[in-house]
Amino acid sequence: DVKVTQSSRYLVKRTGEKVFLECVQDMDHENMFWYRQDPGLGLRLIYFSYDVKMKEKGDIPEGYSVSREKKERFSLILESASTNQTSMYLCASSWDYRTDTQYFGPGTRLTVL
Amino acid sequence: AQSVTQLDSQVPVFEEAPVELRCNYSSSVSVYLFWYVQYPNQGLQLLLKYLSGSTLVKGINGFEAEFNKSQTSFHLRKPSVHISDTAEYFCAVRGTRPLVFGKGTRLSVIA
Repeated sequence: DVKVTQSSRYLVKRTGEKVFLECVQDMDHENMFWYRQDPGLGLRLIYFSYDVKMKEKGDIPEGYSVSREKKERFSLILESASTNQTSMYLCASSWDYRTDTQYFGPGTRLTVL
Repeated sequence: AQSVTQLDSQVPVFEEAPVELRCNYSSSVSVYLFWYVQYPNQGLQLLLKYLSGSTLVKGINGFEAEFNKSQTSFHLRKPSVHISDTAEYFCAVRGTRPLVFGKGTRLSVIA
């Protein structure tokens, strides 16, 4: 069965902390994605990666960076967390960049105090 | 660039009634269209997708959608809803950019 796992379901951090959100997929997918989900705004793409060591900015990359050292793992980094980064973060992966289904993890609800 | 508009943010409907969730898109190129569902406290999962061919697409759990190129729409329908269909539904479009999602429609099924 297809599986995307995220390191934490809930996370509370303080303003200014460096935050790591990790995502692992077991499907040998080439493509991985990070979204944030906010009420009334839907999902917005932060970063995506279509190959190991390759990354592309999405629609809202400011304040975030990513790392993909291994094919199965894609990390989202908040260099200095701020309260406006309080949100639900969803990771996804897919095989084909254009047409394939994206498989989502359960999400990490991050609260920045 | 592409964009998606989900015309209703909330849709309440009685159990066993039909439902239609509306989605319009905008793109300067050919598109692929998707509907995802998010049950409470879960990630998203694919309901159905249109890539090419027949404009009527059938998905899981009895849902279907029709691609209408002239109206740039991809509305989701189900003839008879169940309580378990209560969830948030997202329309998404893939054009030149990665998937762009709509803001979601919250479907509430009332017993």
